[in-house]
Amino acid sequence: DTGVSQDPRHKITKRGQNVTFRCDPISEHNRLYWYRQTLGQGPEFLTYFQNEAQLEKSRLLSDRFSAERPKGSFSTLEIQRTEQGDSAMYLCASSSGRISTDTQYFGPGTRLTVL
Amino acid sequence: GENVEQHPSTLSVQEGDSAVIKCTYSDSASNYFPWYKQELGKRPQLIIDIRSNVGEKKDQRIAVTLNKTAKHFSLHITETQPEDSAVYFCAASIWTGNQFYFGTGTSLTVIP
Repeated sequence: DTGVSQDPRHKITKRGQNVTFRCDPISEHNRLYWYRQTLGQGPEFLTYFQNEAQLEKSRLLSDRFSAERPKGSFSTLEIQRTEQGDSAMYLCASSSGRISTDTQYFGPGTRLTVL
Repeated sequence: GENVEQHPSTLSVQEGDSAVIKCTYSDSASNYFPWYKQELGKRPQLIIDIRSNVGEKKDQRIAVTLNKTAKHFSLHITETQPEDSAVYFCAASIWTGNQFYFGTGTSLTVIP
């Protein structure tokens, strides 16, 4: 499968714990995005990277959230001191970075449940 | 920022009928409008998109229309089939490489 992959697919944690998710974009895609989706809602933008540079962060991304893309390939999203309100599906997407064909392709998501 | 509204939230149609989902957006600078289909427990999949330099785009049974003056765009599915049942999301962005602003989704059910 050459699509966007995410790991893990499901994560159950207790409130106050830290969690880290990984996203592997489509090979050679320069742009990588993180979204959060709650039940019955559309995905909400969190942040995106152009190669290793984090270019934009949503106000939804509190200081408990941090994202990295150290080598411009895979990315990690860490949530510290998780809260029950963090329970959601975390989606990653990637795009080529070429304006003419810059469609975002989504991964399968990581479903986080905070108890 | 951009605000995208989507209607209806649920839609049931008989197999073979047409389905229409409408979205409005607020930022006149938005110029790229993709539509995604999301089946239960699966990732959003792009089904069609349109850029602001065209008013309509078709791909087999699926079409999207865009009215930039009124700031709304619509998804049209003809000859619906049970496998079209899913949640459909519209989105808007200022350019394709920017963040997407998604609508709240339409749950489409095609009744055999």
